[in-house]
Amino acid sequence: AQKVTQAQTEISVVEKEDVTLDCVYETRDTTYYLFWYKQPPSGELVFLIRRNSFDEQNEISGRYSWNFQKSTSSFNFTITASQVVDSAVYFCALSERTGGFKTIFGAGTRLFVKA
Amino acid sequence: DAGITQSPRHKVTETGTPVTLRCHQTENHRYMYWYRQDPGHGLRLIHYSYGVKDTDKGEVSDGYSVSRSKTEDFLLTLESATSSQTSVYFCAISDVNTGELFFGEGSRLTVL
Repeated sequence: AQKVTQAQTEISVVEKEDVTLDCVYETRDTTYYLFWYKQPPSGELVFLIRRNSFDEQNEISGRYSWNFQKSTSSFNFTITASQVVDSAVYFCALSERTGGFKTIFGAGTRLFVKA
Repeated sequence: DAGITQSPRHKVTETGTPVTLRCHQTENHRYMYWYRQDPGHGLRLIHYSYGVKDTDKGEVSDGYSVSRSKTEDFLLTLESATSSQTSVYFCAISDVNTGELFFGEGSRLTVL
């Protein structure tokens, strides 16, 4: 069965702290895609990153980095030197290739960054 | 911005009435999705479509039906709305090559 678990419901940090958002997934497919999306207080959903199941290379984009480990079925997201503008809800998502790119989301982690 | 529009953006209705939400895209994407967002549950997939007249159930499909008679439109229908269907509904389309989702602005539905 397809499942995404984000165990952290809310995280609160002080500006400039590093923070890691956890994501654990379950799938029976060998070909799948993992994503992170951001939902700021304004409500829109913003794509951050995509990883396919064959690419375990970690990625860094500015203050954002992602650690994909198939061995533990995890796709964690780290924000370095957090800023107030990072305050948002972050969603991890899993898309299976079979069945027409059915994409399901975790429950989300709400991040508060205090000045 | 991806060309996705949802209508209506806000609706208040009464229990037992039928409601239809419309998602319209101008991107000619094959895959379309309806999600609902509720506090504590994140985004839950209701139904999705992988082509005209090809649809399938998601995680929370009970009480909902969908139709897709042409590529650009994906309709979500609540045959008899209940208070538990009060939610924000998001439509999304997917790039077939990357799987990345592009979301509409959401439709807030309140069932009294």
